[in-house]
Amino acid sequence: ILNVEQSPQSLHVQEGDSTNFTCSFPSSNFYALHWYRWETAKSPEALFVMTLNGDEKKKGRISATLNTKEGYSYLYIKGSQPEDSATYLCALGPGSARQLTFGSGTQLTVLP
Amino acid sequence: GAGVSQSPSNKVTEKGKDVELRCDPISGHTALYWYRQSLGQGLEFLIYFQGNSAPDKSGLPSDRFSAERTGGSVSTLTIQRTQQEDSAVYLCASREPSGNEKLFFGSGTQLSVL
Repeated sequence: ILNVEQSPQSLHVQEGDSTNFTCSFPSSNFYALHWYRWETAKSPEALFVMTLNGDEKKKGRISATLNTKEGYSYLYIKGSQPEDSATYLCALGPGSARQLTFGSGTQLTVLP
Repeated sequence: GAGVSQSPSNKVTEKGKDVELRCDPISGHTALYWYRQSLGQGLEFLIYFQGNSAPDKSGLPSDRFSAERTGGSVSTLTIQRTQQEDSAVYLCASREPSGNEKLFFGSGTQLSVL
Protein backbone atom coordinates (compact mmCIF):
# COMPACT_ATOMS: atom_id res chain seq x y z
CA ILE A 1 0.00 0.00 0.00
CA LEU A 2 1.48 3.35 -1.05
CA ASN A 3 1.46 6.19 1.46
CA VAL A 4 0.78 9.56 -0.16
CA GLU A 5 0.72 12.44 2.29
CA GLN A 6 -0.35 16.02 1.76
CA SER A 7 0.26 19.06 3.93
CA PRO A 8 -1.18 21.19 5.23
CA GLN A 9 -4.61 19.62 5.61
CA SER A 10 -6.26 23.03 5.27
CA LEU A 11 -5.15 26.55 4.52
CA HIS A 12 -6.75 29.99 4.62
CA VAL A 13 -5.11 32.83 2.68
CA GLN A 14 -6.07 36.36 1.72
CA GLU A 15 -6.86 37.25 -1.87
CA GLY A 16 -3.64 38.20 -3.63
CA ASP A 17 -1.38 36.07 -1.44
CA SER A 18 0.79 33.40 -2.98
CA THR A 19 0.72 29.97 -1.39
CA ASN A 20 2.10 26.48 -1.77
CA PHE A 21 1.48 23.02 -0.45
CA THR A 22 3.25 19.68 -0.43
CA CYS A 23 2.66 16.13 -1.59
CA SER A 24 5.05 13.48 -0.22
CA PHE A 25 5.34 9.95 -1.54
CA PRO A 26 7.69 6.94 -1.51
CA SER A 27 10.60 7.64 -3.85
CA SER A 28 11.03 4.01 -4.87
CA ASN A 29 9.24 2.64 -7.95
CA PHE A 30 7.99 6.08 -8.99
CA TYR A 31 5.72 6.13 -12.04
CA ALA A 32 3.75 9.39 -12.26
CA LEU A 33 2.44 12.15 -10.01
CA HIS A 34 -0.96 13.73 -10.64
CA TRP A 35 -2.48 16.93 -9.23
CA TYR A 36 -6.25 17.49 -9.22
CA ARG A 37 -8.45 20.37 -8.12
CA TRP A 38 -11.81 19.53 -6.55
CA GLU A 39 -14.22 22.42 -6.13
CA THR A 40 -17.31 21.99 -3.99
CA ALA A 41 -20.24 20.46 -5.91
CA LYS A 42 -18.07 19.81 -8.97
CA SER A 43 -15.97 16.96 -10.35
CA PRO A 44 -12.26 16.69 -9.58
CA GLU A 45 -10.34 18.23 -12.48
CA ALA A 46 -6.82 17.30 -13.53
CA LEU A 47 -4.20 20.04 -13.27
CA PHE A 48 -0.94 18.26 -14.03
CA VAL A 49 0.57 14.85 -14.68
CA MET A 50 4.31 14.75 -14.07
CA THR A 51 6.69 11.90 -14.69
CA LEU A 52 10.27 13.21 -14.77
CA ASN A 53 12.46 14.22 -11.86
CA GLY A 54 12.89 17.99 -11.92
CA ASP A 55 9.75 18.42 -14.02
CA GLU A 56 7.98 21.76 -13.72
CA LYS A 57 4.49 22.40 -15.06
CA LYS A 58 2.52 25.64 -15.22
CA LYS A 59 -1.12 26.47 -15.91
CA GLY A 60 -1.94 30.13 -15.51
CA ARG A 61 -1.17 31.14 -11.93
CA ILE A 62 -0.69 27.55 -10.80
CA SER A 63 2.56 25.65 -11.11
CA ALA A 64 4.03 22.42 -9.78
CA THR A 65 7.45 20.91 -9.30
CA LEU A 66 8.52 17.31 -8.86
CA ASN A 67 11.44 15.71 -7.02
CA THR A 68 11.26 11.93 -7.46
CA LYS A 69 14.58 11.26 -5.71
CA GLU A 70 13.42 12.71 -2.40
CA GLY A 71 9.74 11.93 -2.95
CA TYR A 72 7.88 15.22 -3.00
CA SER A 73 5.96 17.61 -5.23
CA TYR A 74 5.03 21.22 -4.55
CA LEU A 75 1.99 23.02 -5.91
CA TYR A 76 2.22 26.81 -6.06
CA ILE A 77 -0.55 29.33 -6.56
CA LYS A 78 0.52 32.89 -7.32
CA GLY A 79 -1.81 35.75 -6.43
CA SER A 80 -4.61 33.57 -5.01
CA GLN A 81 -8.17 34.43 -6.01
CA PRO A 82 -11.44 33.36 -4.33
CA GLU A 83 -12.15 31.06 -7.29
CA ASP A 84 -9.01 29.09 -6.37
CA SER A 85 -10.81 27.87 -3.25
CA ALA A 86 -10.96 24.10 -3.57
CA THR A 87 -9.43 20.88 -2.33
CA TYR A 88 -6.17 20.07 -4.09
CA LEU A 89 -5.42 16.37 -4.41
CA CYS A 90 -2.23 14.67 -5.43
CA ALA A 91 -2.09 11.07 -6.59
CA LEU A 92 0.66 8.56 -7.31
CA GLY A 93 0.62 5.95 -10.01
CA PRO A 94 -0.71 4.07 -11.76
CA GLY A 95 2.32 2.00 -12.60
CA SER A 96 2.02 -1.73 -12.21
CA ALA A 97 -0.73 -1.30 -9.62
CA ARG A 98 -2.84 0.30 -12.36
CA GLN A 99 -4.67 2.44 -9.82
CA LEU A 100 -3.93 5.95 -8.62
CA THR A 101 -3.32 6.30 -4.88
CA PHE A 102 -4.60 9.64 -3.64
CA GLY A 103 -3.52 11.78 -0.73
CA SER A 104 -6.16 13.19 1.60
CA GLY A 105 -5.93 16.63 0.02
CA THR A 106 -5.25 20.23 1.01
CA GLN A 107 -8.37 22.34 1.43
CA LEU A 108 -7.63 25.91 0.33
CA THR A 109 -9.88 28.83 1.20
CA VAL A 110 -9.08 32.21 -0.34
CA LEU A 111 -10.70 35.04 1.57
CA PRO A 112 -11.76 38.16 -0.39
CA GLY B 1 -20.88 12.00 -24.27
CA ALA B 2 -18.97 15.10 -23.38
CA GLY B 3 -17.91 13.89 -19.95
CA VAL B 4 -18.25 11.16 -17.38
CA SER B 5 -21.87 10.88 -16.28
CA GLN B 6 -22.97 9.42 -12.94
CA SER B 7 -26.44 8.72 -11.62
CA PRO B 8 -28.13 9.29 -9.32
CA SER B 9 -26.44 12.42 -8.01
CA ASN B 10 -27.91 11.81 -4.57
CA LYS B 11 -29.24 8.64 -2.99
CA VAL B 12 -30.77 8.28 0.45
CA THR B 13 -31.49 4.74 1.54
CA GLU B 14 -32.30 2.78 4.65
CA LYS B 15 -29.83 0.49 6.31
CA GLY B 16 -30.08 -3.01 4.87
CA LYS B 17 -31.33 -1.95 1.43
CA ASP B 18 -29.42 -2.57 -1.80
CA VAL B 19 -28.32 0.32 -4.03
CA GLU B 20 -27.02 0.60 -7.58
CA LEU B 21 -24.83 3.44 -8.77
CA ARG B 22 -24.27 4.02 -12.46
CA CYS B 23 -21.33 5.44 -14.39
CA ASP B 24 -21.22 6.26 -18.10
CA PRO B 25 -17.58 6.98 -19.07
CA ILE B 26 -16.23 9.09 -21.89
CA SER B 27 -16.59 7.31 -25.22
CA GLY B 28 -13.37 5.53 -26.17
CA HIS B 29 -11.95 5.47 -22.64
CA THR B 30 -11.14 1.85 -21.94
CA ALA B 31 -10.06 2.38 -18.32
CA LEU B 32 -12.70 2.99 -15.65
CA TYR B 33 -12.25 3.51 -11.91
CA TRP B 34 -14.52 3.70 -8.89
CA TYR B 35 -13.38 5.68 -5.85
CA ARG B 36 -15.19 6.85 -2.77
CA GLN B 37 -14.65 9.61 -0.26
CA SER B 38 -16.03 9.22 3.21
CA LEU B 39 -16.38 12.26 5.46
CA GLY B 40 -12.96 13.53 6.48
CA GLN B 41 -11.12 10.91 4.46
CA GLY B 42 -9.15 10.88 1.21
CA LEU B 43 -10.20 9.24 -2.02
CA GLU B 44 -10.31 5.48 -1.50
CA PHE B 45 -9.81 3.18 -4.48
CA LEU B 46 -12.54 0.59 -4.97
CA ILE B 47 -12.23 -1.12 -8.35
CA TYR B 48 -10.59 -0.70 -11.77
CA PHE B 49 -11.65 -1.96 -15.19
CA GLN B 50 -9.35 -2.00 -18.22
CA GLY B 51 -10.78 -3.18 -21.51
CA ASN B 52 -11.50 -6.91 -21.47
CA SER B 53 -9.00 -7.68 -18.71
CA ALA B 54 -10.12 -9.04 -15.36
CA PRO B 55 -11.01 -6.10 -13.09
CA ASP B 56 -8.79 -5.13 -10.16
CA LYS B 57 -11.18 -5.57 -7.22
CA SER B 58 -8.53 -5.15 -4.54
CA GLY B 59 -10.12 -2.01 -3.09
CA LEU B 60 -13.63 -3.33 -2.50
CA PRO B 61 -14.13 -3.13 1.28
CA SER B 62 -16.38 -6.17 1.66
CA ASP B 63 -18.26 -8.81 -0.32
CA ARG B 64 -21.34 -6.58 -0.14
CA PHE B 65 -19.72 -4.48 -2.85
CA SER B 66 -19.61 -5.56 -6.47
CA ALA B 67 -19.25 -3.86 -9.83
CA GLU B 68 -19.64 -4.76 -13.43
CA ARG B 69 -18.93 -3.10 -16.72
CA THR B 70 -21.12 -4.13 -19.60
CA GLY B 71 -19.89 -3.95 -23.17
CA GLY B 72 -16.76 -2.11 -22.11
CA SER B 73 -18.74 1.03 -21.43
CA VAL B 74 -21.33 1.64 -18.69
CA SER B 75 -20.44 0.45 -15.19
CA THR B 76 -22.69 -0.29 -12.24
CA LEU B 77 -21.50 -0.38 -8.64
CA THR B 78 -23.83 -2.38 -6.41
CA ILE B 79 -23.85 -2.25 -2.63
CA GLN B 80 -25.93 -4.94 -0.93
CA ARG B 81 -27.37 -4.66 2.56
CA THR B 82 -26.10 -1.11 2.99
CA GLN B 83 -24.61 -0.03 6.29
CA GLN B 84 -24.21 3.47 7.71
CA GLU B 85 -20.46 3.33 7.14
CA ASP B 86 -21.16 3.03 3.40
CA SER B 87 -22.27 6.68 3.39
CA ALA B 88 -19.84 8.54 1.14
CA VAL B 89 -19.41 10.27 -2.20
CA TYR B 90 -18.84 7.61 -4.85
CA LEU B 91 -16.81 8.87 -7.79
CA CYS B 92 -16.31 7.27 -11.16
CA ALA B 93 -13.43 8.20 -13.46
CA SER B 94 -12.24 7.13 -16.87
CA ARG B 95 -9.08 7.63 -18.88
CA GLU B 96 -7.47 6.73 -22.16
CA PRO B 97 -5.56 3.44 -22.29
CA SER B 98 -1.99 4.81 -22.02
CA GLY B 99 -0.64 4.67 -18.49
CA ASN B 100 0.04 8.31 -17.64
CA GLU B 101 -3.09 9.95 -18.89
CA LYS B 102 -5.11 12.03 -16.46
CA LEU B 103 -8.40 10.81 -15.04
CA PHE B 104 -11.69 12.40 -16.00
CA PHE B 105 -14.12 12.28 -13.09
CA GLY B 106 -17.88 12.29 -12.92
CA SER B 107 -19.66 14.54 -10.47
CA GLY B 108 -20.25 11.69 -8.06
CA THR B 109 -23.11 10.08 -6.21
CA GLN B 110 -23.69 11.22 -2.64
CA LEU B 111 -24.91 8.12 -0.81
CA SER B 112 -26.54 8.53 2.59
CA VAL B 113 -27.50 5.42 4.55
CA LEU B 114 -29.91 6.16 7.37
